[in-house]
Amino acid sequence: DVKVTQSSRYLVKRTGEKVFLECVQDMDHENMFWYRQDPGLGLRLIYFSYDVKMKEKGDIPEGYSVSREKKERFSLILESASTNQTSMYLCAIHSQVRDTQYFGPGTRLTVL
Amino acid sequence: TQLLEQSPQFLSIQEGENLTVYCNSSSVFSSLQWYRQEPGEGPVLLVTVVTGGEVKKLKRLTFQFGDARKDSSLHITAAQPGDTGLYLCAGAWGDYKLSFGAGTTVTVRA
Repeated sequence: DVKVTQSSRYLVKRTGEKVFLECVQDMDHENMFWYRQDPGLGLRLIYFSYDVKMKEKGDIPEGYSVSREKKERFSLILESASTNQTSMYLCAIHSQVRDTQYFGPGTRLTVL
Repeated sequence: TQLLEQSPQFLSIQEGENLTVYCNSSSVFSSLQWYRQEPGEGPVLLVTVVTGGEVKKLKRLTFQFGDARKDSSLHITAAQPGDTGLYLCAGAWGDYKLSFGAGTTVTVRA
């Protein structure tokens, strides 16, 4: 089974802090994604990566950056957290074999 | 980004009743996926439909992909409390990208 883990289930940070959200997968998948989920808006793509050191902007990249130094790890970075970044953050991988995305359990981030 | 609209946004029914959730777009997708998400968890894939007009059944769940591959529906027969959750449709386009609908929150009362 595909396993996608996220470093924290719940996180509380203060405005202006630098925040790191980690995502790790165990099956050598190339494609990884970061989404945020807000009520009534569904999932919106922030960034994605097709391979190590490769990244592309999604629909809402402003205020975020990403890092992919190793194939199994894809990090989402909030350089200076703001209250409007309070959200549920979901990491996903794309399985080419099954042609579908598998999601991690999510990190609920609150920025005070 | 390809936009997907889901309706209704909320659905509350009694156990044993049937329900249908709709997913519509003006865009054509290579495939369409339905996910179910429980509180505090990530979405879990239920089904992928690929061919226009395709109908797939998973026990009491029936999924249909429109002939033009722009819309889809999810029908649940004789709903049970265990069907409660957020149902999300997602259209596939580009290189492994998905566009998600806003979701339908389904509550099945015992």
